[in-house]
Amino acid sequence: EAGVAQSPRYKIIEKRQSVAFWCNPISGHATLYWYQQILGQGPKLLIQFQNNGVVDDSQLPKDRFSAERLKGVDSTLKIQPAKLEDSAVYLCASSRQLSGANVLTFGAGSRLTVL
Amino acid sequence: GIQVEQSPPDLILQEGANSTLRCNFSDSVNNLQWFHQNPWGQLINLFYIPSGTKQNGRLSATTVATERYSLLYISSSQTTDSGVYFCAVDHSGAGSYQLTFGKGTKLSVIP
Repeated sequence: EAGVAQSPRYKIIEKRQSVAFWCNPISGHATLYWYQQILGQGPKLLIQFQNNGVVDDSQLPKDRFSAERLKGVDSTLKIQPAKLEDSAVYLCASSRQLSGANVLTFGAGSRLTVL
Repeated sequence: GIQVEQSPPDLILQEGANSTLRCNFSDSVNNLQWFHQNPWGQLINLFYIPSGTKQNGRLSATTVATERYSLLYISSSQTTDSGVYFCAVDHSGAGSYQLTFGKGTKLSVIP
C-alpha cells in the first residue's frame, strides 16, 4: 500500500509569515495525526482527527496553528504567524482504526525553518 | 500524562556488535511501538508490541507490560542501523489512541 504522503518536504520562511503543510494518509485510514518534532526531541502530538472530526487538539497552539480535514481524507496544517520556535519537522501519521491494534504509520515529514 | 524514559540516550557500537535499548513507562499501555528514525528523518515502524516478544531478522523486542518496560535488541549491528530509536506508548487508561514518545536513543554504528 502507498504510504503517508506529505508536502512540502522543506520550507524556509521569515518569522511572522505563514506556511501550510499538506498530508494524504494511507487509503482507508480513518485516524490522522499531526506531530511536531523539534531537533533532538521525540515527536509531540499537536492534533488528532477521526474522519473529519477533531478527537484531541489540546496541545495545538491555537493562537497561531490551525488544522483541518474537511472530507475525512487529506489534511492541512497551517501556521500564521510563524515564530522562531516553530522551526521543527511536522510529521503526519495515520492509522486504520481508533481501537484495538492501533498501529501508526508516519510520513516523511515537512521540515520548517523560521528565520 | 504518561512518562516514557529511554536509555541509554547515546550509544556507539562497532559494526557486528550487539546492543539492548530500554524503554520504561510509568503506567499501563495498550499500544507500544518501536520506531527507527533514519538520518533523513523518516520514522520507520519496527514493532507493534504491547506485550510479549517479536523478532524480525536481526531485531527483536520484548515488552513486559506488568513491569512497565520494553527492550529492543539489535544483533550483528550494521552501519545502516545508525539513527535514533524511539519507543512510543499509548496509555490505555486515557483511551486516547495517541502515541507519547520517549526522547530516543541515538545509535551510531562505526565500521
